[in-house]
Amino acid sequence: QTVVTQEPSFSVSPGGTVTLTCGVSSGSVSTGSYPSWYQQTPGQSPRMLIYNTYSRSSGVPDRFSGSILGNKAALTITGAQADDESDYYCVLYMDSDVWMFGGGTRLTVL
Amino acid sequence: QLQLQESGPGLVKASETLSLTCTVSGGSIRFTSFSWGYIRQPPGKGLEWIASIYDSGYTHYNPSLKSRVAMSVDTSKNQFSLRLTSVTAADTALYYCVRYGDGNTGLAAFDLWGQGTMVTVSS
Repeated sequence: QTVVTQEPSFSVSPGGTVTLTCGVSSGSVSTGSYPSWYQQTPGQSPRMLIYNTYSRSSGVPDRFSGSILGNKAALTITGAQADDESDYYCVLYMDSDVWMFGGGTRLTVL
Repeated sequence: QLQLQESGPGLVKASETLSLTCTVSGGSIRFTSFSWGYIRQPPGKGLEWIASIYDSGYTHYNPSLKSRVAMSVDTSKNQFSLRLTSVTAADTALYYCVRYGDGNTGLAAFDLWGQGTMVTVSS
């Protein structure tokens, strides 16, 4: 069974740049997987950050960007701020109208 | 502004059926190219897509849950619902209702989320 993979945790210094990735256990991620990214802070519903690989959701700061890096989708935060400390999830469209989430990455800003 | 609100019992006994309803306010559920669905999150764990439905009634289900899941939509009430049968402790989770904009919208993402409702399966 295909698994969507994310780094369990990541740490970044304030003002630093971090790239979180989203891969699949078999094969590669492409724009045809329509990767999207979500930010979840404790006690809150997830918030859509990036959709359709590259597009930023309304109101999302431009320090967040989405891309394809090699065979994975990527979320890059350039100039990380303290309130970026959150859990980040990617989701991929699989065949036959099925969506799969990655396990999430807990980002620490310190 | 479109909003989603989940409702349903917070406690379900093991082997019984979990039933949730999501009410859409601030707009119509009849959106071409948008589907409506549920995503869950067990305590301290990640997100899992469960199922989605279009206003036409066309459904998609997570293969791992397909044998136990059913969704329905009531456009007259602007609501959609989830039924999950034969629940176990593994079904204990925060259940979110969501809207999905498909490729025709340019989104291909879950753009709206409800606040979530916690469902605990008791033995």
